[in-house]
Amino acid sequence: QVQLVESGGGVVQPGRSLRLSCAASGFTVTRYGMHWVRQAPGKGLEWVSSVGYNGDNLHYADSVKGRFTISRDTSKNTLYLQMNSLRAEDTAVYYCARDFTEHWTIDYWGRGTPVTVS
Amino acid sequence: QSALTQPASVSGSPGQSITISCTGTSRDVGGFDYVSWYQHHPGKAPQLMIYDVSSRPSGVSPRFSASRSGDTASLTISGLQAEDEADYYCFSYTRSNTWVFGGGTRLTVL
Repeated sequence: QVQLVESGGGVVQPGRSLRLSCAASGFTVTRYGMHWVRQAPGKGLEWVSSVGYNGDNLHYADSVKGRFTISRDTSKNTLYLQMNSLRAEDTAVYYCARDFTEHWTIDYWGRGTPVTVS
Repeated sequence: QSALTQPASVSGSPGQSITISCTGTSRDVGGFDYVSWYQHHPGKAPQLMIYDVSSRPSGVSPRFSASRSGDTASLTISGLQAEDEADYYCFSYTRSNTWVFGGGTRLTVL
């Protein structure tokens, strides 16, 4: 059974950093691409970043490029999102999600972790 | 990376059909067969309803169907039921090797 559990969210001041974690179970992250998606309060979903199944092919939304870094620890089967230079507009619920291989979309999602920059 | 254009809201009565549109460009919706749709109930994880423009994952009701014409994709829900009330998002791979969501559509079942 595929499960994704995010953690690390919280309240942080503008300009500071935060690292989100996503523990995966039921599959191995080395065999799937992974994504981070966020939803600001009262807003829609926004794709944030992705990493390919081989750990390469890192991609970012323009809104976070240069500030956020996606990575994974294969020994822990965990995905990370390092968020630096945080801004008020980064306030959102952050979802970890698994890539639906060869279909260029997402098949499984976590429940999300809230981040408030204030 | 502008969001794809969706109507903010649609509504229908139980048993009726509704269609939600999703307009992009040739760099995303019109350029790849990688348009998908998600149902999102607040507080829950989004659920994949459609992938590859018109394919349905196993377990998704056949009341959900989708298509595309040019740069506009569409999701149709037939035989509306109360539990269909949710937010719906289209999602597309883009020529920039990124992905983009639609702005979301709130479906109200009257």
